[in-house]
Amino acid sequence: NAGVTQTPKFRVLKTGQSMTLLCAQDMNHEYMYWYRQDPGMGLRLIHYSVGEGTTAKGEVPDGYNVSRLKKQNFLLGLESAAPSQTSVYFCASSYRGLAGDNEQFFGPGTRLTVL
Amino acid sequence: GENVEQHPSTLSVQEGDSAVIKCTYSDSASNYFPWYKQELGKGPQLIIDIRSNVGEKKDQRIAVTLNKTAKHFSLHITETQPEDSAVYFCAARPYSSASKIIFGSGTRLSIRP
Repeated sequence: NAGVTQTPKFRVLKTGQSMTLLCAQDMNHEYMYWYRQDPGMGLRLIHYSVGEGTTAKGEVPDGYNVSRLKKQNFLLGLESAAPSQTSVYFCASSYRGLAGDNEQFFGPGTRLTVL
Repeated sequence: GENVEQHPSTLSVQEGDSAVIKCTYSDSASNYFPWYKQELGKGPQLIIDIRSNVGEKKDQRIAVTLNKTAKHFSLHITETQPEDSAVYFCAARPYSSASKIIFGSGTRLSIRP
């Protein structure tokens, strides 16, 4: 199993450009998450999904959109990138909600720079 | 909403010594507290977790303690080794949402040879 994979690994955008980050998992997990990681701030939840066709807002959803058209994929979109969106983005998945035995598995991350 | 504070932000210990990382949380109803280890260039990985009905949990050289009254939980690593060097994150799950966990700001642990 590949686990959780993310593409691309690195990307540089200019202000105002758009892009989509792709997350895929092969563990048949119901829940998927997008986080951003900034220095000194830990990981902050952007959006999450509790199943195919559903999405919900996390702590910092502004400027991002998501879609979960297939159970195994969770897409994060930036419609008009801003320098404040420069960050490392992590996707994660879990079988169900985050109870004691439902571990959250993370992808390797995407480093995004917005100039 | 839930807020998690983590200290220290950096920690350097001699190989073989113990390391302790401390976290506090604000929502007294939070009931699940995982700890993650993030190695350079990788995503975080769960290393140990504890539920609110348990005071302590151990797994080989790592242990976590929880004080619900003080809303405080800690990670203890004994007999530290070079491979323990990483960034460690504590987190808490609010009772109101089984879908989300709130992360602390992280501790960069360095093991000196």
